[in-house]
Amino acid sequence: QKEVEQNSGPLSVPEGAIASLNCTYSDRGSQSFFWYRQYSGKSPELIMSIYSNGDKEDGRFTAQLNKASQYVSLLIRDSQPSDSATYLCAVNKGPNTGTASKLTFGTGTRLQVTL
Amino acid sequence: DGGITQSPKYLFRKEGQNVTLSCEQNLNHDAMYWYRQDPGQGLRLIYYSQIVNDFQKGDIAEGYSVSREKKESFPLTVTSAQKNPTAFYLCASSIGWGNNQPQHFGDGTRLSIL
Repeated sequence: QKEVEQNSGPLSVPEGAIASLNCTYSDRGSQSFFWYRQYSGKSPELIMSIYSNGDKEDGRFTAQLNKASQYVSLLIRDSQPSDSATYLCAVNKGPNTGTASKLTFGTGTRLQVTL
Repeated sequence: DGGITQSPKYLFRKEGQNVTLSCEQNLNHDAMYWYRQDPGQGLRLIYYSQIVNDFQKGDIAEGYSVSREKKESFPLTVTSAQKNPTAFYLCASSIGWGNNQPQHFGDGTRLSIL
């Protein structure tokens, strides 16, 4: 079992719809969770961080975390063609020592928003 | 502007050659990281550094070396021992103590074999 799993996609949604991206992780002790957006040929860009169970909203983006079920999801409302990218889920296992934030990345889900 | 600068953007390596990728940050971040990204494989950690003059191996350190002589700089050398160096190399940094901090990435360097 991979430490962080994502469906590679592509996930195709029409413009204006809600895109739902999912990520599961294997280490129950994981403490912090991040979503990155990566356009083709570019570097990852942080779009959401979530640390506790529940929902966290930022504009059109909502991150959802369920530690009991070991999954984290990203919802994108009113999807736009500019949202077409690969979305990477990253998980930090801990422990909370030192300055380094060691992340384990999923392989990403490719999202296509169609006109 | 504050950020992470990687150079060069594209790099070509000849057989038996060592090449060095530059990473500079002016964010005053303590921790810095190097990743390699191959198609369909996600990001894999090569080395990371929590403080000046200290660095740790990541998951795929063989064939690579790093130094951290200044807080702002974390260069990566791809040695001739790395037999499959063609990849997209990403440098990242994170602030402060504790591992709840997100990482922020530079624009990357694409390395290819001549």
